[in-house]
Amino acid sequence: DGGITQSPKYLFRKEGQNVTLSCEQNLNHDAMYWYRQDPGQGLRLIYYSQIVNDFQKGDIAEGYSVSREKKESFPLTVTSAQKNPTAFYLCASSKGQAARDTQYFGPGTRLTVL
Amino acid sequence: KQEVTQIPAALSVPEGENLVLNCSFTDSAIYNLQWFRQDPGKGLTSLLLIQSSQREQTSGRLNASLDKSSGRSTLYIAASQPGDSATYLCAVPYYGNNRLAFGKGNQVVVIP
Repeated sequence: DGGITQSPKYLFRKEGQNVTLSCEQNLNHDAMYWYRQDPGQGLRLIYYSQIVNDFQKGDIAEGYSVSREKKESFPLTVTSAQKNPTAFYLCASSKGQAARDTQYFGPGTRLTVL
Repeated sequence: KQEVTQIPAALSVPEGENLVLNCSFTDSAIYNLQWFRQDPGKGLTSLLLIQSSQREQTSGRLNASLDKSSGRSTLYIAASQPGDSATYLCAVPYYGNNRLAFGKGNQVVVIP
């Protein structure tokens, strides 16, 4: 089955720790995205990548980092510099640019800071 | 920057009634508009993508209309069912069409 997988489903972080969220797709899509969703806030773009070895900051990139070494993988690291990381994180992919093609979403990772 | 607003934020309807969900956007020069569905604690599922040249797009009981000049889209769900209970989000491109701006969603409950 083609799709996007995210792991883990739930993640707990202690203050001062870095954690990495996994996102893998087997849709052969070029573009991948990371969003953060908070109650009442809607989805906000963290980072996106349109091609391997290239990525761009979104609207709320501070305290996060990404890599795109393989077409199918786009991991997100939440660093200790992110002051309020508790949120629901969604990964998505699209065949081309965001506007021209439908975005397909993974099931999400819920991150909680202890 | 593109701003997307969805009204109402939440609504409850009895089963069988038609649902009307509204989305408005500030910059009318859009390439297309997408409607998504999200179930609690889950990812988003694409429902409809309507191009800027189209007036409407239909899929089963779902119909989305687009009025670009007034910056509005409406999602109609005919004969609602309890399984339609979810949050519906609309999104439009911005920043050179490389990003999507999302509304906060319409949270729908269909009462059996």
